[in-house]
Amino acid sequence: GEQVEQRPPHLSVREGDSAVITCTYTDPNSYYFFWYKQEPGASLQLLMKVFSSTEINEGQGFTVLLNKKDKRLSLNLTAAHPGDSAAYFCAVSATTGGNNKLTFGQGTVLSVIP
Amino acid sequence: EAAVTQSPRNKVTVTGGNVTLSCRQTNSHNYMYWYRQDTGHGLRLIHYSYGAGNLQIGDVPDGYKATRTTQEDFFLLLELASPSQTSLYFCASSVGTGGNTLYFGAGTRLSVL
Repeated sequence: GEQVEQRPPHLSVREGDSAVITCTYTDPNSYYFFWYKQEPGASLQLLMKVFSSTEINEGQGFTVLLNKKDKRLSLNLTAAHPGDSAAYFCAVSATTGGNNKLTFGQGTVLSVIP
Repeated sequence: EAAVTQSPRNKVTVTGGNVTLSCRQTNSHNYMYWYRQDTGHGLRLIHYSYGAGNLQIGDVPDGYKATRTTQEDFFLLLELASPSQTSLYFCASSVGTGGNTLYFGAGTRLSVL
């Protein structure tokens, strides 16, 4: 089945710096890609989703890059601020089968130092 | 905005105890899920359902049962709880699978002593 590896597990940056979180996946049929954000003590909420081929999505100070050739998904923060401190999870879903389960990465805890 | 409500928010039980976690969603989503969240593992799917009376096995189902009684209600049952089941449990719902967004509940923190 699908396996998703997310790195790094912890990331600490200063306010205004950039940050990159990367996920690699194994199933070449993977088609739907998500980033979820979990603020401290809270539940997960969708941050961004990307579909299909190599694509760049931007929003809320984030850029998502998808490289299907390398089976790599990344979340790039261009200028981190303290409100970005949270855990971030990538999630991947394939198109095969009638029920396309999401497989989550292990998560990255981002700390933004003022 | 989809609403997913979990109860209880915190639960402590002893080894061998019987625990039921409840989840209700109010947006008529077809799919409901139970995940556990553990450090270093992210979220792992325990069971899911695509409608009342339906149950699908997830990736880590051992030691768990689940039941979808209505479109709105999905329960997770631990009949003989073990310390390895100490975790943060999330319920989620979605319209469908694939590219559909999951809406998560606030979570239930379970401790098995």
